[in-house]
Amino acid sequence: ELKVEQNPLFLSMQEGKNYTIYCNYSTTSDRLYWYRQDPGKSLESLFVLLSNGAVKQEGRLMASLDTKARLSTLHITAAVHDLSATYFCAVDGGGTSYGKLTFGQGTILTVHP
Amino acid sequence: DAEITQSPRHKITETGRQVTLACHQTWNHNNMFWYRQDLGHGLRLIHYSYGVQDTNKGEVSDGYSVSRSNTEDLPLTLESAASSQTSVYFCASSGVRSSYEQYFGPGTRLTVT
Repeated sequence: ELKVEQNPLFLSMQEGKNYTIYCNYSTTSDRLYWYRQDPGKSLESLFVLLSNGAVKQEGRLMASLDTKARLSTLHITAAVHDLSATYFCAVDGGGTSYGKLTFGQGTILTVHP
Repeated sequence: DAEITQSPRHKITETGRQVTLACHQTWNHNNMFWYRQDLGHGLRLIHYSYGVQDTNKGEVSDGYSVSRSNTEDLPLTLESAASSQTSVYFCASSGVRSSYEQYFGPGTRLTVT
């Protein structure tokens, strides 16, 4: 059974600082997705990582995938208040579960002035 | 523009009643999913479908059913609503052209009294 773990689960940052959210998963997969959710809203796709070594960047966020270590990171550079949200990683089960995603618990990010 | 919609957006019902939540997508995606989101549990998969006439149970399927009679719709039925089913429900869809990235609907907040 595929398990996905994120850490930290809660992250309080000061504006301007850098930090990384980690997403570990338990079985082989080469497809990983990052989502953002604002309070009371739906999930919004941030990144799609489809191969080992994939790196995607959008603004102050950069995501990477290491399929051998079964690890993805979401790096935040010079955080701003607008980045406050909950971030989820999700991993494709592959095989007969292709297209079915298992989600991490989510990381609640709060950026303070 | 293609989209995924859910209705109703809010629903209050009584214990024991049958409730159906609608999900409609115009992405022409083969895959559709139902999740529930509760504090402390993240997103949990209820049922999913890989195409017309195909349905599969997720990790929390007890008390729920789905049917897929066309590509666009995957209604979720709570056969006899229980207070434990008070939650926010999200529908999602994905397809090969989107690299199986799941697109989420706006959610339905269900309260069972």
